[in-house]
Amino acid sequence: QVTLKESGPGMLQPSKTLSLTCSFSGFSLSTSGMVVSWIRQPSGKSLEWLAAIDWDGDKYYNPSLKSRLTVSKDTSNTQVFLKITSVDIADTATYYCARSGNWELGDYFDYWGQGVMVTVSS
Amino acid sequence: DVVLTQTPSILSATIGQSVSISCRSSQSLLDSDGNTYLYWFLQRPGQSPQRLIYLVSNLGSGVPNRFSGSGSGTDFTLKISGVEAEDLGVYYCMQATHAPPTFGGGTKLELK
Repeated sequence: QVTLKESGPGMLQPSKTLSLTCSFSGFSLSTSGMVVSWIRQPSGKSLEWLAAIDWDGDKYYNPSLKSRLTVSKDTSNTQVFLKITSVDIADTATYYCARSGNWELGDYFDYWGQGVMVTVSS
Repeated sequence: DVVLTQTPSILSATIGQSVSISCRSSQSLLDSDGNTYLYWFLQRPGQSPQRLIYLVSNLGSGVPNRFSGSGSGTDFTLKISGVEAEDLGVYYCMQATHAPPTFGGGTKLELK
């Protein structure tokens, strides 16, 4: 059974660095083709893809946010992390991690975590 | 970035009614590898998005066959043949042909 779960600080101040963790089970990120992405959604709005890391450690970023994002994974391939620097109110959103079985085969976002709400406020 | 425009933004339906949602792309979604990376998701109230359709017309695992997807190039459609109460929520199309992946603005399906 594939499950993903996001965790984060809940609230942080503007200009700080947001650190998020995606813990997952039921698959290994070391499996060829596997990708984990971060996607966010401001309340009442649509979804925005942020970043991804694949089984081989290759990283992908949304160009609009690339300078502020860092995605990484742990050596056991059971967690993926996202850091967003210099946050401001516009970064307030629910952050999801989502698995893709194999991008090259078109298998995008078949499993999602429950999401973690992050509020940026002074 | 590729812009996906969904219509309508709100869709009112009765149980058992068949409905369609349109997704139009600002660029062709046909990839050079011959695939069209167009997807449909449903987000029920208070829940995470759930993938319904992948590669335009392929039904996701466990998704009822009252859902179907069609289209090509820049015009795509999600059809629900006989709405059920569990289908209520917001539907999003998404493209992954052109980096970065982008989502449509959403279509809210509500009960009439």
